[in-house]
Amino acid sequence: DAGITQSPRHKVTETGTPVTLRCHQTENHRYMYWYRQDPGHGLRLIHYSYGVKDTDKGEVSDGYSVSRSKTEDFLLTLESATSSQTSVYFCAISESADYNEQFFGPGTRLTVL
Amino acid sequence: GNSVTQMEGPVTLSEEAFLTINCTYTATGYPSLFWYVQYPGEGLQLLLKATKADDKGSNKGFEATYRKETTSFHLEKGSVQVSDSAVYFCALSDRNFNKFYFGSGTKLNVKP
Repeated sequence: DAGITQSPRHKVTETGTPVTLRCHQTENHRYMYWYRQDPGHGLRLIHYSYGVKDTDKGEVSDGYSVSRSKTEDFLLTLESATSSQTSVYFCAISESADYNEQFFGPGTRLTVL
Repeated sequence: GNSVTQMEGPVTLSEEAFLTINCTYTATGYPSLFWYVQYPGEGLQLLLKATKADDKGSNKGFEATYRKETTSFHLEKGSVQVSDSAVYFCALSDRNFNKFYFGSGTKLNVKP
């Protein structure tokens, strides 16, 4: 199994509070991704990174920011959490952009009250 | 743009039945196609993939063929088992930073 961990695995927070989710990999893969999973929508891309300090927006990036200061860590921040951001968040990694599969972490279940 | 459409679930089958889960896609360029499986409480695991037209991906008795003419990548298995009960996702990737586009998922329930 690819070495991907996510922390925390579960979190309950209140509307308006900041939240940071962490993705850590031990594979030295260049590409990292954050998705959210919601019923009826599958997985939707929030942000992705193609190198240290190189990030870009996905299809559902509003209300989220990311940072990648080291190859192994990719942080997702909700600056001011809202109930619509209640979801399961998955991190994924990929070795290259050349039609490679993505490997997924175990997910973080976030509940915003 | 890129998008994936897969059949609505849940799909309920008896053990040893034949499985088909339909997947069609819209893409710019020449995508790769994937099937992922998700067991309860877990992340997604790659089931199989195909990188060009007419390729067949296969794994653990599951198969899917990349059909460019019908823009499809249907998942099939000849004889399902209770342990195949899971949610199955069809996805495509492009060469643009290997971003993935997922279908909405199909839940499969296999009864003994």
